[in-house]
Formats: sequence, structure tokens, C-alpha cells
Amino acid sequence: GQQVMQIPQYQHVQEGEDFTTYCNSSTTLSNIQWYKQRPGGHPVFLIQLVKSGEVKKQKRLTFQFGEAKKNSSLHITATQTTDVGTYFCAENTGTASKLTFGTGTRLQVTL
Amino acid sequence: KAGVTQTPRYLIKTRGQQVTLSCSPISGHRSVSWYQQTPGQGLQFLFEYFSETQRNKGNFPGRFSGRQFSNSRSEMNVSTLELGDSALYLCASSFRGSWADTQYFGPGTRLTVL
Repeated sequence: GQQVMQIPQYQHVQEGEDFTTYCNSSTTLSNIQWYKQRPGGHPVFLIQLVKSGEVKKQKRLTFQFGEAKKNSSLHITATQTTDVGTYFCAENTGTASKLTFGTGTRLQVTL
Repeated sequence: KAGVTQTPRYLIKTRGQQVTLSCSPISGHRSVSWYQQTPGQGLQFLFEYFSETQRNKGNFPGRFSGRQFSNSRSEMNVSTLELGDSALYLCASSFRGSWADTQYFGPGTRLTVL
């Protein structure tokens, strides 16, 4: 079955450093969504990408969808302590809501 | 507008018991999905309901079931609990449940099975 892997599993950065997480699928993705889950919290929707090669920005966050629609990335510029959490990519498959989540990348930011 | 609410927030049960979890979606949302989150398996889809009908089901045993009421509130039930059912159970609501809709997650119910 489909597997969506994320790398790295964990990253620890100093505040102000950049961070990137990568999402890789064994099959072509119809879309990719990104979520953030703070420690002890629940996933919060960040963005959805649909088109091949699509790039979207939200302030310090840049999201990309690969040309072959098999991978995606989330890049955070100049991390802040508020960026701490686990970032998940997910594909919403089928005509009804069914999210297939990636394995997640846990980000730790220290001063 | 109030967010997705889940009750109870925490639950402790023993093996063999059954449990019912409740989810109230955002007002106007007709789709409710359920997910199980564990450290080992990550976030896994359980099932999705729209207008009281189950439209999608994940790869979980029949001990996991759910339903949706006419007001879109949803419940999930787990019978004959096993230790491995200990997890955070999340529900998410969306307006129509289409792939383009934003999913809004509730705070989750933390279930511990002893």
C-alpha cells in the first residue's frame, strides 16, 4: 500500500536557523496537505498543494510540491521557538475525506 | 465559531471493556472523520461519516465502529478493548468532506487501556 515517509524524523535547531522537512511517496500524490501539531495538541491545517511544481508561501514557511507529484517539502526560514512541534504531510485520498499521513518530523528549537 | 469538541478528554479503561467517544463538529460541517494516533503507528484513518452514512473505512478490526447523528455529531465505539488500543483518538470535521475541504481537528480523547 501507499507509504508516505518524512525525513528527518527529528531535528533540533538553534533559534534563527532554517529548517526543512521532506515528504516522499512511493506513488503519485493527488494532493498534499501540511499540518502542525504542537506538543500535547492536535494537528492544525497549514496548507494544501495540488499542482505539479506548486510553491506557496506563508510568512516564513515555504511549501513545495514536486514536479512528479511524489514529494513535497516544507521550509521554515529563521526558526522561532513558536515553531516547535511535529510537522506532518498528508494526502487527502478519494472523493471523501481520508487523510493518509506521513510519519512526521519533530522540530525542537532552542534559544 | 466554536471549534471541534471531543468528550471525554481522558479515559482509563481495562482490557475487555468497551468505550464510546464523542465528537461534535464545527457548526455547519457535515463530515466527521476519526483518526488514531500512536507513537508506533502514527496517525491512522479509522472512518468518515457524512450525513449519517459511513463513506470510508480504514484498516481496523470490526471492534472499532462509529455512527453519526442527524445533527452531525459522531460517536465511535471500541469493544473488547486491548492494550494496543491505548492511543489519542482524534476527530476532524469539514464542510462537505471533499478532498479540497480543510479538515479541522478536535483536541482528542486520550484513551489508556490497562
